[in-house]
Amino acid sequence: ETGVTQSPTHLIKTRGQQVTLRCSSQSGHNTVSWYQQALGQGPQFIFQYYREEENGRGNFPPRFSGLQFPNYSSELNVNALELDDSALYLCASSLSAPDTQYFGPGTRLTVL
Amino acid sequence: EDKVVQSPLSLVVHEGDTVTLNCSYEVTNFRSLLWYKQEKKAPTFLFMLTSSGIEKKSGRLSSILDKKELFSILNITATQTGDSAIYLCAGYNTDKLIFGTGTRLQVFP
Repeated sequence: ETGVTQSPTHLIKTRGQQVTLRCSSQSGHNTVSWYQQALGQGPQFIFQYYREEENGRGNFPPRFSGLQFPNYSSELNVNALELDDSALYLCASSLSAPDTQYFGPGTRLTVL
Repeated sequence: EDKVVQSPLSLVVHEGDTVTLNCSYEVTNFRSLLWYKQEKKAPTFLFMLTSSGIEKKSGRLSSILDKKELFSILNITATQTGDSAIYLCAGYNTDKLIFGTGTRLQVFP
């Protein structure tokens, strides 16, 4: 196990609702990245936070937003949920921005 | 556009076989190539490769990177049923991992 934790494990929402997913990084890691993994696909980069600032963003709309706290834990918020948002959301932490990323167990989001 | 392509998409072998998984990449500002194993949910880290031609080994697993031809291979010798998983390859640029779709390996007794 990596020491990266995520909550909740599973979540079911309906279209139009909002969701917040949480991630606690591995001890000593100051960088958190979020990925979306649709069924049968590799993870897709959403964004990265380094020392509480957004450090890079993938091709996701603004309704995907995030936050990193002083203890380096992080949240991913998704507004106006769509059916295609159903996926496994993975959080990864690293010692610094370019270092090896270690993944948490993920949150499985289902949008009905 | 950055892309990582893995082959084969799927592989079925018997215990004891040796397998080679392929990964080619086109990643701007490339820094390193990473391999992960994904069984249920969390991808678990296997290797990070930054230099060409230097093989990294961990038990029955080994990997090598060719930065001139832009590819990497992951070898697994004497496969076991516990090796059954999806193997993900990712190129790392300045801030993100760009993943391939993975190779699904099934090892039967």
